Amino acid sequence: DQQVKQNSPSLSVQEGRISILNCDYTNSMFDYFLWYKKYPAEGPTFLISISSIKDKNEDGRFTVFLNKSAKHLSLHIVPSQPGDSAVYFCAASALNYGGSQGNLIFGKGTKLSVKP
Amino acid sequence: KAGVTQTPRYLIKTRGQQVTLSCSPISGHRSVSWYQQTPGQGLQFLFEYFSETQRNKGNFPGRFSGRQFSNSRSEMNVSTLELGDSALYLCASSLALVRDEQFFGPGTRLTVL
Repeated sequence: DQQVKQNSPSLSVQEGRISILNCDYTNSMFDYFLWYKKYPAEGPTFLISISSIKDKNEDGRFTVFLNKSAKHLSLHIVPSQPGDSAVYFCAASALNYGGSQGNLIFGKGTKLSVKP
Repeated sequence: KAGVTQTPRYLIKTRGQQVTLSCSPISGHRSVSWYQQTPGQGLQFLFEYFSETQRNKGNFPGRFSGRQFSNSRSEMNVSTLELGDSALYLCASSLALVRDEQFFGPGTRLTVL
């Protein structure tokens, strides 16, 4: 049973517009959420995170929103650039889940294509 | 500061063989986690090591094992390889603070024929 779901396998946006990537989770024990970006032949790169005590975290062009009641988070990229084209993974963790917090539960990823 | 390094980058094995993958974390990082990435299942957690002890384990068969050395370097071993073990194996390290991100290596691409 997937605990972290990214229901859109792909997303295509025009350069300069907003990209919105969505993620849903089922486990109410999750209290820390992260977004990673992955280029082909490279490992995932950390983008931005949010703790469950917040509902928004912003870092430059990237903003993550968390709606705990809906168990939903989203990543907004504004403005989108061609270099943002990559696979984006949503991940979640829970302090003390399984005895540690070193095990991230990942969604299957959304491939973002930003067209010039 | 050097990133997470993984060796080898590519590996081809045949069914029934065993394989050992290596991961060197970022200097000062004490936690090392391993993940398997496949097209169908995405990124799945294998296990985490901290101070030479396995702290957590994912839902993988006992053929998958690992260890961590005193310098925090880690190895994972897969015995009796199956075709379905073909995947990208990613290692990630972190400071293991209460809340911190994991830094990933480039991965080892394992192909089982």
